[in-house]
Amino acid sequence: DAEITQSPRHKITETGRQVTLACHQTWNHNNMFWYRQDLGHGLRLIHYSYGVHDTNKGEVSDGYSVSRSNTEDLPLTLESAASSQTSVYFCASSEYRGSTDTQYFGPGTRLTVL
Amino acid sequence: AQSVTQLDSHVSVSEGTPVLLRCNYSSSYSPSLFWYVQHPNKGLQLLLKYTSAATLVKGINGFEAEFKKSETSFHLTKPSAHMSDAAEYFCVVSDRILTGGGNKLTFGTGTQLKVEL
Repeated sequence: DAEITQSPRHKITETGRQVTLACHQTWNHNNMFWYRQDLGHGLRLIHYSYGVHDTNKGEVSDGYSVSRSNTEDLPLTLESAASSQTSVYFCASSEYRGSTDTQYFGPGTRLTVL
Repeated sequence: AQSVTQLDSHVSVSEGTPVLLRCNYSSSYSPSLFWYVQHPNKGLQLLLKYTSAATLVKGINGFEAEFKKSETSFHLTKPSAHMSDAAEYFCVVSDRILTGGGNKLTFGTGTQLKVEL
């Protein structure tokens, strides 16, 4: 069965360190997304990609970057981790770009920045 | 701008009784609306979605939702709660186009459903 996986599932790091969160999907979807989930905010969009070598900023992109070198993977990098980036991170993918399209989510990565 | 308000942060029901999770939205366009469920330590799973076809939408696990444009609501219901329904539920609206095309999802803050024996 097609799926979307994230690794690691839990990560503890220190302020100032670079951290990369992995996202891998076997749906063969062109569209991939990164969200963060915080209490009282629901999920907020960080970055997204509509295909290889395409990346776009979401509403909370400061301090994060992504790159898309193939269809299956969209790693999220925190250039210099800050305590404000402690959160649960979700990756998602979708097939189309229409307003009715469904996004499929991974299991999440819980990141703690000390 | 689009927005979603989930009117209850926590809902508690007894097993076998009806479930009602309330959601109101604001949208400048004709929105698509979704309900997702998140079980503990799991990713989000789609329950159902409204896409301007039938206003009463049936989803998985016996859930359904009714789109009421006049009330800007999309409440989630289930006739009889089961212990396995205990989870967090997110109402989501999609109507804004992102740079490059594609839909922007705006999430509500979630409703935690507790099911008691």
